[in-house]
Amino acid sequence: KQEVTQIPAALSVPEGENLVLNCSFTDSAIYNLQWFRQDPGKGLTSLLLIQSSQREQTSGRLNASLDKSSGRSTLYIAASQPGDSATYLCAVGTGGFKTIFGAGTRLFVKA
Amino acid sequence: GAGVSQSPRYKVAKRGQDVALRCDPISGHVSLFWYQQALGQGPEFLTYFQNEAQLDKSGLPSDRFFAERPEGSVSTLKIQRTQQEDSAVYLCASSFSTGYEQFFGPGTRLTVL
Repeated sequence: KQEVTQIPAALSVPEGENLVLNCSFTDSAIYNLQWFRQDPGKGLTSLLLIQSSQREQTSGRLNASLDKSSGRSTLYIAASQPGDSATYLCAVGTGGFKTIFGAGTRLFVKA
Repeated sequence: GAGVSQSPRYKVAKRGQDVALRCDPISGHVSLFWYQQALGQGPEFLTYFQNEAQLDKSGLPSDRFFAERPEGSVSTLKIQRTQQEDSAVYLCASSFSTGYEQFFGPGTRLTVL
């Protein structure tokens, strides 16, 4: 059974710091992996989607990597800003139609 | 174009009542997902539609939960005889097809008293 874990559960950093969020999964037979952000009381906003054949994806200050063999993905945020404060969720697409989410990392960027 | 919309945004139900939650996906999106999100947790998969076909309903917690997408666009999640443990945010997502990026609606917050 696929399980997705995100560490740390919460993170507080000063503005301008570069940071890494971690996501691990137990079954390497994944279809894809997607990173989302969720603001309080809101739905999820897609950040990056990595297909199983890819190693990384970049969008602006965000870079996501995928290492299927070790069951890990990281989301790198460069030059963090207070507006980056949110919960970040990773989601693994399984071989079927099910998507499995981690519990998320709550990020607070201090001005 | 418009994103995924859900209605109502908030629903309060008395225990035992039936509720219906609506999802309008992005036009042309083949895939539609329903999730349940408890406070402080990631979304939990409920069910998946490809057009009008419900291909996976393994995440529905009980036979009180029923979902449909009769014309392959709008979807409804129905919960019969609501219980307090059904209180959660129900999220809908759509994607162009299987394996593509998922786009989420704002969710419906259901509170069962």
